[in-house]
Amino acid sequence: RKEVEQDPGPFNVPEGATVAFNCTYSNSASQSFFWYRQDCRKEPKLLMSVYSSGNEDGRFTAQLNRASQYISLLIRDSKLSDSATYLCVVMDSSYKLIFGSGTRLLVRP
Amino acid sequence: DAEITQSPRHKITETGRQVTLACHQTWNHNNMFWYRQDLGHGLRLIHYSYGVHDTNKGEVSDGYSVSRSNTEDLPLTLESAASSQTSVYFCASSESASGSQYFGPGTRLTVT
Repeated sequence: RKEVEQDPGPFNVPEGATVAFNCTYSNSASQSFFWYRQDCRKEPKLLMSVYSSGNEDGRFTAQLNRASQYISLLIRDSKLSDSATYLCVVMDSSYKLIFGSGTRLLVRP
Repeated sequence: DAEITQSPRHKITETGRQVTLACHQTWNHNNMFWYRQDLGHGLRLIHYSYGVHDTNKGEVSDGYSVSRSNTEDLPLTLESAASSQTSVYFCASSESASGSQYFGPGTRLTVT
């Protein structure tokens, strides 16, 4: 079983739609959580950290459920520019990042 | 502006050759990391360093080595390149061990 699992997608949604991605992790000792965005053939870029109380950054909302060991990302009012691969990332107890394989999002006009 | 750069951006080499990929950051971060990314896999950690003269093995370190002689640079060396090392390599750095990491633009390496 992979340490961090994501649905690879693609999620194909129209502009303006709301879309949600989930991610599960296997190590209950994981201590920090992130969502990164990766455009085709480019480097991953930090989208947002994920806090236990949930956090929002504009159209993006991240949630963490430690009991169930899953993390979610909600994108409201999708834009064409949101098309990318979204990487769920977990930091283990020795501060190493463990990456999911990513969920691909395609936003169509 | 502070940044993290990698060179070369593209490299084609032959099996058995030694290859060194450069990573340079100007944030003065103590922590630096090397990852590889392959289809069907998330980024996988090769080596990392928490400071000058400190190096540690990651998940997929076989066939790779690093050295950290200053804060700014963490070169990655493939001792004897193999076709299985064809991949995209990303370097990253962070201010603190528990902080978020910032990635370089990547090096696309092909071993023929």
